[in-house]
Amino acid sequence: ETGVTQSPTHLIKTRGQQVTLRCSSQSGHNTVSWYQQALGQGPQFIFQYYREEENGRGNFPPRFSGLQFPNYSSELNVNALELDDSALYLCASSLSGPPYEQYFGPGTRLTVT
Amino acid sequence: GEDVEQSLFLSVREGDSSVINCTYTDSSSTYLYWYKQEPGAGLQLLTYIFSNMDMKQDQRLTVLLNKKDKHLSLRIADTQTGDSAIYFCAESIPSGSARQLTFGSGTQLTVLP
Repeated sequence: ETGVTQSPTHLIKTRGQQVTLRCSSQSGHNTVSWYQQALGQGPQFIFQYYREEENGRGNFPPRFSGLQFPNYSSELNVNALELDDSALYLCASSLSGPPYEQYFGPGTRLTVT
Repeated sequence: GEDVEQSLFLSVREGDSSVINCTYTDSSSTYLYWYKQEPGAGLQLLTYIFSNMDMKQDQRLTVLLNKKDKHLSLRIADTQTGDSAIYFCAESIPSGSARQLTFGSGTQLTVLP
């Protein structure tokens, strides 16, 4: 059984640029969630995708957007990067029913300069 | 409202038991989880408990839930140096038709030899 994978591992971008992060779900999982983890804090929910549609969103602006593909892999896109977007971005996959266990990938460390 | 709180630091001797505490506020939580995060890594799901349970045991891990006080604890028996990490509790709450995880800020567990 393949776990959740994310790419790239690290990324450095300049303020104002755009970035795309990628995630492959664990085999058999149909739901993917994205989280932002700032240094020294717990992860914050960005949004969740199920059947290729966003079905829930946290308190993040519209410049954070995503996609889910038919094979359940996913992308997180962030436009107009700001310095505060520097964080570890975590993808988690799960099934759509209880107990809603979410399994996390290793994350992508984004640095905005 | 949704807020999860944890103490920031815990230090124990190798071989002792560790108890990590957490309080949550959202009454609609049905599942509560414990995750472990090692430096530079993603989150590893350790265990979860359904809100109609008081206790769950899984090898060295024991989870206690006091639903009246909205208090959750994780006990690690015979703590080892490999248990040194940040531990997060999280509650699963509805977000649209999604289930988002709301995390505490994490407890840094240090195991002393």
